[in-house]
This record gives sequence, structure tokens and C-alpha cells, in this order.
Amino acid sequence: KAGVTQTPRYLIKTRGQQVTLSCSPISGHRSVSWYQQTPGQGLQFLFEYFSETQRNKGNFPGRFSGRQFSNSRSEMNVSTLELGDSALYLCASSLETYGYTFGSGTRLTVV
Amino acid sequence: DQQVKQNSPSLSVQEGRISILNCDYTNSMFDYFLWYKKYPAEGPTFLISISSIKDKNEDGRFTVFLNKSAKHLSLHIVPSQPGDSAVYFCAASSNSGYSTLTFGKGTMLLVSP
Repeated sequence: KAGVTQTPRYLIKTRGQQVTLSCSPISGHRSVSWYQQTPGQGLQFLFEYFSETQRNKGNFPGRFSGRQFSNSRSEMNVSTLELGDSALYLCASSLETYGYTFGSGTRLTVV
Repeated sequence: DQQVKQNSPSLSVQEGRISILNCDYTNSMFDYFLWYKKYPAEGPTFLISISSIKDKNEDGRFTVFLNKSAKHLSLHIVPSQPGDSAVYFCAASSNSGYSTLTFGKGTMLLVSP
């Protein structure tokens, strides 16, 4: 079966711009989580959606937001980009609480 | 405040030997622990997990040990293979009903032939 698909794979944006990343979970998975990976901080939890509702949120500023659609696909948005937002953004989907499958990520570079 | 710590940023092991990756946690609410393996430019892939009701879980060459009193877990890879070279992340979760994982910063394992 198809895995977790994240688009685009790579993205270059300018400071101050906004960006939208997309995640298509494994078919049937209703939980989608987003993580940010940076060299200094490792993987940090951004937020989790379940059945179109944000169930939990990590410690990130309000510039980071997300949503989930009725087909479980999810998007995350970062507004007013800063250089420090350059990172690998990972999406993970789950059927049950602990069964996470990650996508390959979107590499965002802010210049 | 780092709740999951992997104190060794890197580890080098010879092929055929045992690799031991360590992880410490501080949050007593964590009751489920996972190890993920990550290659560059790919997402983490699930390796093995352990519930807090167990102290050992084995899957082929991979064994995870959990010492709840010490809040410590370790991943043993025996025998190590060059293809095991990757970054290994320890992650923890609590049975709060919310699906979030708290990750360590990872340990880069290099297995040399």
C-alpha cells in the first residue's frame, strides 16, 4: 500500500514569505502529526490532527498552523518565514496511537 | 527541558560486533518507547518498540531493554552490519490518548566493514 506522501520534497523561500506543505497519509489513517527536524534540536513535535481536529500542539509560535481535511490529508502553513525555519518537516500518520509511519519529509530552505 | 536524551551523538562499531545505543528519559508518564532509524533525505522508519510493562523486546538482530527505575532504555544490534549505519532516534509516548512522540536528538551509528 502507498506510504505517507509529502509534497513538495524541496522548497526554497525568502524571509517574510509564507509556505504551505502537504501530507497525504496512508489510506485509512486518521491521525496525522507534523514534526520539525533541525540539526540542533532533533525532531520536535508541531501538532497532531485527528478527524479534522487539532488534538495536540507543540511549543511553536502561532506562525505555524495546520489543518486536516475530511479525507485525512493535512497541510501545514508557516507564515512570515524566518531563517530559523529552515528544516526538514516530517509528517507521520497513524491508525492507532503508537503506530506511526513517517513520510520522507519536505526540506524547506529559507534564504 | 529535554525529556528524552541521547547523550552520545555518534557511535562507531566494527561489522559483526554489538552496537549499543542508549537513551534516558525524565518524564515518569512515558509508558511506551520506540526506536526509529533514519537515513539522510528520508523519513524515520520504525525499528522496534517496548511497553513499560516489559523490560525486554526482541526482533531479529534488534533488542530493546527498558530499565524503568533508572528511566533508561537501550537498543542492542547484534551483529552490526554496514547497512545499519544511520541515525537512530529514541522516542517516548505517554498513554494520554494523544498521539505525540517526544524524540531524543539522535545517535549517528557508523558500522565499518
